[in-house]
Amino acid sequence: NAGVTQTPKFQVLKTGQSMTLQCAQDMNHNSMYWYRQDPGMGLRLIYYSASEGTTDKGEVPNGYNVSRLNKREFSLRLESAAPSQTSVYFCASSPRDGFNQPQHFGDGTRLSIL
Amino acid sequence: AQTVTQSQPEMSVQEAETVTLSCTYDTSESDYYLFWYKQPPSRQMILVIRQEAYKQQNATENRFSVNFQKAAKSFSLKISDSQLGDAAMYFCAYRGVNYGGSQGNLIFGKGTKLSVKP
Repeated sequence: NAGVTQTPKFQVLKTGQSMTLQCAQDMNHNSMYWYRQDPGMGLRLIYYSASEGTTDKGEVPNGYNVSRLNKREFSLRLESAAPSQTSVYFCASSPRDGFNQPQHFGDGTRLSIL
Repeated sequence: AQTVTQSQPEMSVQEAETVTLSCTYDTSESDYYLFWYKQPPSRQMILVIRQEAYKQQNATENRFSVNFQKAAKSFSLKISDSQLGDAAMYFCAYRGVNYGGSQGNLIFGKGTKLSVKP
């Protein structure tokens, strides 16, 4: 099925380890996003890529880096994981044009940092 | 900065009854979009309904409808004939068209957990 695919679905890391979360979409969307969701909070934007070749910080970028590898793929990297980064991470995509177009979300990655 | 507030952390409704979830937002923009997303236990984020701020007519999608009050900056979701499958977290989200350099980004409320009683 067409959509946004995230890998892995679950991961446990030790403090200080590094990790890359992968995201790919097959809807030919221009824009891609990474969010984190914590208990009692809505989704908060970490980084986004408005189009291939560009990335920008969102609300909570500290401790993360991203790479827009091509139009399809947008990865999120934790260089030195910290317990505060324990969260559920969502990748999303949308067409750049038409702000009424909804963002399409992946199924999320549950990440635990011990 | 834009903010979205959902004042009801939890709500409960009897099956087949109607329930309204509240959402208010703060913005200085005149043009924007509002969305309701549903997140069932499976964790998927599913679009329920959307509303363009320049449209006065309230959006409807089958059993789901909104009451959009632009002057009051209010965007409530009404679910009619509630079904067991409606049980989920519901998130209200705002999307500006001129939000600094981050056009198209969604700003979410903290969510309302809806339970449906059989």
